[in-house]
Formats: sequence, structure tokens, C-alpha cells
Amino acid sequence: DAKTTQPPSMDCAEGRAANLPCNHSTISGNEYVYWYRQIHSQGPQYIIHGLKNNETNEMASLIITEDRKSSTLILPHATLRDTAVYYCIANAGGTSYGKLTFGQGTILTVHP
Amino acid sequence: DAGITQSPRHKVTETGTPVTLRCHQTENHRYMYWYRQDPGHGLRLIHYSYGVKDTDKGEVSDGYSVSRSKTEDFLLTLESATSSQTSVYFCAINQDRGDQETQYFGPGTRLLVL
Repeated sequence: DAKTTQPPSMDCAEGRAANLPCNHSTISGNEYVYWYRQIHSQGPQYIIHGLKNNETNEMASLIITEDRKSSTLILPHATLRDTAVYYCIANAGGTSYGKLTFGQGTILTVHP
Repeated sequence: DAGITQSPRHKVTETGTPVTLRCHQTENHRYMYWYRQDPGHGLRLIHYSYGVKDTDKGEVSDGYSVSRSKTEDFLLTLESATSSQTSVYFCAINQDRGDQETQYFGPGTRLLVL
């Protein structure tokens, strides 16, 4: 897995968009960018993934720069329940998929 | 939740005793994983399985063994528990999401070794 770098913590007001950055400057062409989050004491939860194109699902949007060296996870209308640790992971999938490397992530705190 | 359960959810044991944690899944997933999570280390892979009786080591496998005698169960055994194995243990499975597989995690087992 390519190394990823995330800010240790971020704050966001409830109802506003939360934009979580991730740098992955050494990502290889076959590595996807995955985002997971972990709410206190629970197992990590898959959010979204992408390769080159921007992606959107019911939880979030993922914006990947054209050079693929960085990405941003967007929670469009953050709620208090979005307070969690967010992990950005670069992984090639396939037989290597299972060996996910979880770094320290970003602690997102959503304030009322 | 991809049908993953872990048992027990909490356990307190003494140093030197064997401990077995169970991960059970109901959706016939091929790949299963055991991670541990400790403050300052994030999640680290202990062992994983890619089929019945097919297992391999992860990053922190010393002191742990696993078995998978049937698709639905993946067992993690601490042969002789030590205080350094006090941790939260998560099981995970791979689930297909179109172009890629993603991992779904169980609720975790909190283990305290005294």
C-alpha cells in the first residue's frame, strides 16, 4: 500500500460540509483510494472508494486530483453522528486487498 | 453488517491461559481477516484466510494461531495469553462491490489479559 498522510484532527459545524484531505503522492497506477471511518468502539465502516474519477454514494463524495496524488472526502451535511476517525487507504485490491494498512487517520469532530 | 458476529464480545483472562475468539459469518464469504487495534498503532493484521484450511500470516502473527475448518467460522487462538495481547480484536470479510471488494468489520472483541 502506498503511504497516505492525513491531518490528525479536524472540526466541522453540524449541517456544514466536512472536507477531509488525504495525500498519497506515491500511489501507483493500480491502487485505489479507499475511505473508512470508525465510530468510537465500533468496527471500521466502509465509506467509498475510487481509482481516477470522482465518486459519490449515499454517504459521501470522493474527489481525486487529476495526478492522483491527493484526494478529498466530502461529507456534504455533517451530523453529530459523523464524529469519528476517518481513514484514507491506498490499496491495489485483488489478492493483496486484505492487507489493508490503517494509519492514524483524521479525528473529525462535528460540533452542534 | 454483512452477517458478521464475534464471540465473546468481552473477555478477561489471566496470563498464560489459552484463549479462542470466534468470528462467524453467514454469507459464504471466502476471505476472512483478524485485526487487532491498540492505541497509537491503528489496526494491524494478525492472520487472514482465503478459504477453508487456507490461512496466512499478517503483520503481527507471533503468539497467535488461526483455524478455518468451515467457511463460516474463523477462529483466532492465543496459545498462551500475555498482557501485551490485551487489545480489541476485529474480524473482517471481503464483500464484492462491483469493481472492487471492500472489507466489512465485525463489532469487535475486547480482551483483557491480567
